[in-house]
Order: sequence, then structure tokens, then C-alpha cells
Amino acid sequence: ETGVTQSPTHLIKTRGQQVTLRCSSQSGHNTVSWYQQALGQGPQFIFQYYREEENGRGNFPPRFSGLQFPNYSSELNVNALELDDSALYLCASSVASKGAYGYTFGSGTRLTVV
Amino acid sequence: AQSVTQPDIHITVSEGASLELRCNYSYGATPYLFWYVQSPGQGLQLLLKYFSGDTLVQGIKGFEAEFKRSQSSFNLRKPSVHWSDAAEYFCAVGKSGGGSNYKLTFGKGTLLTVNP
Repeated sequence: ETGVTQSPTHLIKTRGQQVTLRCSSQSGHNTVSWYQQALGQGPQFIFQYYREEENGRGNFPPRFSGLQFPNYSSELNVNALELDDSALYLCASSVASKGAYGYTFGSGTRLTVV
Repeated sequence: AQSVTQPDIHITVSEGASLELRCNYSYGATPYLFWYVQSPGQGLQLLLKYFSGDTLVQGIKGFEAEFKRSQSSFNLRKPSVHWSDAAEYFCAVGKSGGGSNYKLTFGKGTLLTVNP
């Protein structure tokens, strides 16, 4: 079975720009959750997508948005980038019935905002 | 709200020594509990997880953890550390049951250094 793949692995953006990060879920999984991990911190929950809709959200502003596609892959979009958005962005896929108990994490996208 | 505390920011042990990483959680009911490991610049690898049953959980790479409800703890242990265990370790808690069990709350992590 294929694991969770994220793209790109690294990118550099300028403050005020917009960015799109991508996540392909593990085969057989139908939910995708996104986490932000700032340097020296643990990951923080951004939101989860299930059945192509947002199914829960952490304490992140509306400029963080997402999509889930019919093949269960997902995008994370961040508008009006700020320096504090620099972080490792992780996605995790699962089967809805297992929730976080069945997570598989990807290797992440390292975003640097300058 | 659920929360996780990892009291030790950085631990250094010698190769072959035993290891215990501490984790305390706050949650009203029986939680899901997890330990993940992260190598530099990498994603998270699951070491072990617990929801119910035997309170001593075995994981990969020779790690084990013990759930102690009375102490709200889920400490990670390994009897003999290898140099390849050097990494950052995260404890996490998740909600049990219902439709809201999709989210994990992580601690800030413990960085493990292994001396030869």
C-alpha cells in the first residue's frame, strides 16, 4: 500500500503571497487532517476534511483554507502569508471510523516565509 | 480541553543505557494516547498507541509505554538505547469516541541525544 505523500517538500514564499500545499492520502483512507509544526514545537491541528467538507477546525484564522477532492487527496491554502506561517506542514490520512487512532502522517512540507 | 505536558525538553543518555520519557495529559475521559518519533526534517512515525486493555503497550523499535490513570501519565521506556534512537519524541492525546475523535493534541516534544 502507498503511504501519504506531500508536495512540495520545501518552498520559500514572500510575505503577503499565497501558497498551496498538496497531500495524497494513503490507499483506502478517506479523511485528511492538516497540522502546523513551528520550529521547536509540537504539531498543532489546523483542520480535517471528510467527504470533501471541513469536519473540524483548530485555532487558525480563515486565511487557512482547504479542499478535499473525490479521490480523497487534499490541498491546504494559505493566503496573505505572514512570517509566523513559516513551519513544517504535516498531513495525516485515516479512515473516518478510526479517526486519529488510524492516522498515517506524511513527511511534510517545509514552508519558509521571508 | 485536552492538553499534554512533556516536562523534559532535552534528555541525553549514553548508548546502552535505559530511557524513560515522561508524558502527562489532561482529559476528562479515557483518552487515546500516542507516542511519535520525528527525525530531523522528517514527518512523524508512530511508535505505539493506547486506548484500552493492557496498560503496558509494546511498540516498534523496542519501545514500550505504560498508561497510569491515577497519575494521568503515559511514559515511554526503552531498556537499552541505540545511537539511532536520537530524535525528537512527541506524546499526543486524542478524544475517544463520537465524531470528534479526529484530532490529536501534541506535547512540545523531548529531544533525545545519545552519546557513544
